[in-house]
Amino acid sequence: KQEVTQIPAALSVPEGENLVLNCSFTDSAIYNLQWFRQDPGKGLTSLLLIQSSQREQTSGRLNASLDKSSGRSTLYIAASQPGDSATYLCAVRSNQAGTALIFGKGTTLSVSS
Amino acid sequence: NAGVTQTPKFQVLKTGQSMTLQCAQDMNHEYMSWYRQDPGMGLRLIHYSVGAGITDQGEVPNGYNVSRSTTEDFPLRLLSAAPSQTSVYFCASRWGTGRHYGYTFGSGTRLTVV
Repeated sequence: KQEVTQIPAALSVPEGENLVLNCSFTDSAIYNLQWFRQDPGKGLTSLLLIQSSQREQTSGRLNASLDKSSGRSTLYIAASQPGDSATYLCAVRSNQAGTALIFGKGTTLSVSS
Repeated sequence: NAGVTQTPKFQVLKTGQSMTLQCAQDMNHEYMSWYRQDPGMGLRLIHYSVGAGITDQGEVPNGYNVSRSTTEDFPLRLLSAAPSQTSVYFCASRWGTGRHYGYTFGSGTRLTVV
């Protein structure tokens, strides 16, 4: 059974720092991995989607990497800002028929000004 | 293009009551799904549908029913609400072709059962 783990569960940094959020998964047979952002009391916003054949994706100050063989992904946030404060969720889709997204429990990021 | 729309945003039910959470998407996505999000548990799949007329169970289906009569709509029914169903419910649709998929989520329904 696929399991997704995110470390750390919470992270506090001062504004301007570069930071890395980690995601690991137990079954490397995945179609893709998606990073989401969730603001308190809100829905999920898709940040980056990495297909299994890709190594990384970039969007603005965000860069996500994928090492499928080791079951790991990282989300790198450059020059963090208070507006980046949110919970970041990692989710994988296994390549077995009928499976859906499996989520980690998230990393709650707080960026102080 | 409104994306995935969920209604209501908030709901309070008494134990034993029934209700339907609505989910609609205007992107012509075949695949739709319902998740619940609980503190410390993350998001867990309740039911999903791969197209009109086709539904299947996810990880935590007990106490919920779904149907899919149209591509656009995928309602989630609580048959007899229980306090354990207090949660935030998210509807999602899946886009893409072949092996390249991504998911779009609605803004959620926060349900409290008292």
